[in-house]
Amino acid sequence: KAGVTQTPRYLIKTRGQQVTLSCSPISGHRSVSWYQQTPGQGLQFLFEYFSETQRNKGNFPGRFSGRQFSNSRSEMNVSTLELGDSALYLCASSLEPPPYNEQFFGPGTRLTVL
Amino acid sequence: GENVEQHPSTLSVQEGDSAVIKCTYSDSASNYFPWYKQELGKGPQLIIDIRSNVGEKKDQRIAVTLNKTAKHFSLHITETQPEDSAVYFCAATPFDGLTFGKGTHLIIQP
Repeated sequence: KAGVTQTPRYLIKTRGQQVTLSCSPISGHRSVSWYQQTPGQGLQFLFEYFSETQRNKGNFPGRFSGRQFSNSRSEMNVSTLELGDSALYLCASSLEPPPYNEQFFGPGTRLTVL
Repeated sequence: GENVEQHPSTLSVQEGDSAVIKCTYSDSASNYFPWYKQELGKGPQLIIDIRSNVGEKKDQRIAVTLNKTAKHFSLHITETQPEDSAVYFCAATPFDGLTFGKGTHLIIQP
């Protein structure tokens, strides 16, 4: 069974631009969560989607948004990029919504903001 | 919200010895405690998890213990091998997204 796929793997943007990251969950998984990983703040929860609905959201500004499609694929968008948005963005999928179900992570998208 | 503290930040052990990583959490409503292993250039990989109605769980060389009264849980790796070298993260959640510890860099010395 294929794992979680994230595209693109690497991305370079400049301040003020916007970016869209994509995540394809494991086949059959209906829940997708997004996390930001930085050396200073570690792994931080962004938001979680199930059946095209955002169920939970972490403590991030409104510049960070996401959505989920009917096939469970998910995208996250960051508008008006800031230098501090440089990070590894990780997507995780699970059969059902957290917390009781194992979350399987993708390899991440490395975003660099110049 | 939940807050997870993880210690130590770096742990160096001789190959074949045991390694122990400890975490504490703040929210008494947390009921799911997974441990992840992250290798360079990869996403975190779930290695073991424990739920609040269980005190201990073991999977081959890996074990996790949970003390809900004290709000702490630990990862135990026995007979460490070179491939155990990685960053390990603990996490906790009451009902939504995972709150992670800052990670432990485990180094296995030959």
